[in-house]
Amino acid sequence: DIQMTQSPSSLSASVGDRVTITCQASQDISNYLNWYQQKPGKAPKLLIYDASNLQTGVPSRFSGSGSGTDFTFTISSLQPEDIATYYCQQYDNLPLTFGQGTKLEIK
Amino acid sequence: EVQLVQSGAEVKKPGESLKISCKVSGYSFTSYWIGWVRQMPGKGLEWMGIIYPGDSDTRYSPSFQGQVTISADKSISTAYLQWSSLKASDTAMYYCARSSEQANWFDPWGQGTLVTVSS
Repeated sequence: DIQMTQSPSSLSASVGDRVTITCQASQDISNYLNWYQQKPGKAPKLLIYDASNLQTGVPSRFSGSGSGTDFTFTISSLQPEDIATYYCQQYDNLPLTFGQGTKLEIK
Repeated sequence: EVQLVQSGAEVKKPGESLKISCKVSGYSFTSYWIGWVRQMPGKGLEWMGIIYPGDSDTRYSPSFQGQVTISADKSISTAYLQWSSLKASDTAMYYCARSSEQANWFDPWGQGTLVTVSS
């Protein structure tokens, strides 16, 4: 199985801050990576697909980059409604695997 | 609008069987994979498996192979996840989600079904 390692596991930031989360794959997965947002008590929501493509309707402050084994998810200016846990997910090989999640809190 | 509506919360005893459902609308049920994802209390997301309702092709995570059965009924646009003998460790939230034709992303997701297994 391909292991996905996110860092940090938790993060506290202020409104307006630039926030960056990284995701590392245990082997080369090209750009076969997605990012999801899960707000407390809610189902996950797809934000970024194919490493860098913004899903329709998702605010442009969210972005993704990377290829191979190293990926980055960025919120350019943190908003209060961005409080959530964020997950990366690879689809290069079955079984599909998720990172362990990054819990984002407001400072 | 694409929607996935899951069946309601369940409370079961160890050893009992269970089948939960995921009814879809707003798109062609037979043209996209549907996946199931487990989230244990306070934990992350775990991919369980996917099914292509068009031909019932089903793939399981090795972690869940033999532990659950994924199925679909094209006539009523509904996917299912079932257990023949529940354990306390099956207590979790279970989500269904539409996947792409290539089974890569999940969007949108159902609201989740909470399964509690306790004696």
